[in-house]
Amino acid sequence: DAKTTQPNSMESNEEEPVHLPCNHSTISGTDYIHWYRQLPSQGPEYVIHGLTSNVNNRMASLAIAEDRKSSTLILHRATLRDAAVYYCILRGVSKETSGSRLTFGEGTQLTVNP
Amino acid sequence: DVKVTQSSRYLVKRTGEKVFLECVQDMDHENMFWYRQDPGLGLRLIYFSYDVKMKEKGDIPEGYSVSREKKERFSLILESASTNQTSMYLCASNTGAHEQYFGPGTRLTVT
Repeated sequence: DAKTTQPNSMESNEEEPVHLPCNHSTISGTDYIHWYRQLPSQGPEYVIHGLTSNVNNRMASLAIAEDRKSSTLILHRATLRDAAVYYCILRGVSKETSGSRLTFGEGTQLTVNP
Repeated sequence: DVKVTQSSRYLVKRTGEKVFLECVQDMDHENMFWYRQDPGLGLRLIYFSYDVKMKEKGDIPEGYSVSREKKERFSLILESASTNQTSMYLCASNTGAHEQYFGPGTRLTVT
């Protein structure tokens, strides 16, 4: 699987936007970019995913660079409940990944200050 | 509301014991996964299953086995627990290439 690189930690203030970066310079043309987050003492939860175009949902927005070598998860107004570890994951589409396995890295620990 | 449940939140076992971790999903998903999570190592895939009675090794299957006799249930078995299997164990499920839904996790301590 292609590798992703994320900062170990980031800080934000409540009510402000947060931009979480992810580099994936070895991404292949068929790799989807997925974001999950893990709140303290919980299992990871899906946030958003995309292939080429920017995506929005009720939780966040995903901005994908034109060359697809990087992406940014955007939380428009951070709340204290957004404090979590955020994982950027590449998922390929092939027979070998018919089980949709995900490879998690270390992620970014987001701290939200009141 | 989608749901993945795991049999225990916390479990303490002795070295050498046989340990069963159970996972149940109510979403009729074909795929189920077992991960373990350790500080500094992130989540690592142990085994996954894409159909009843089917299983595939993940990245760290040594010391573990799995069972999937029914679609909704995926069990992780530690044949002879060892202290290096002390960890947080997470179960997940999905269908096709869609997002994975995770359970709350089981924190296993082997003494």
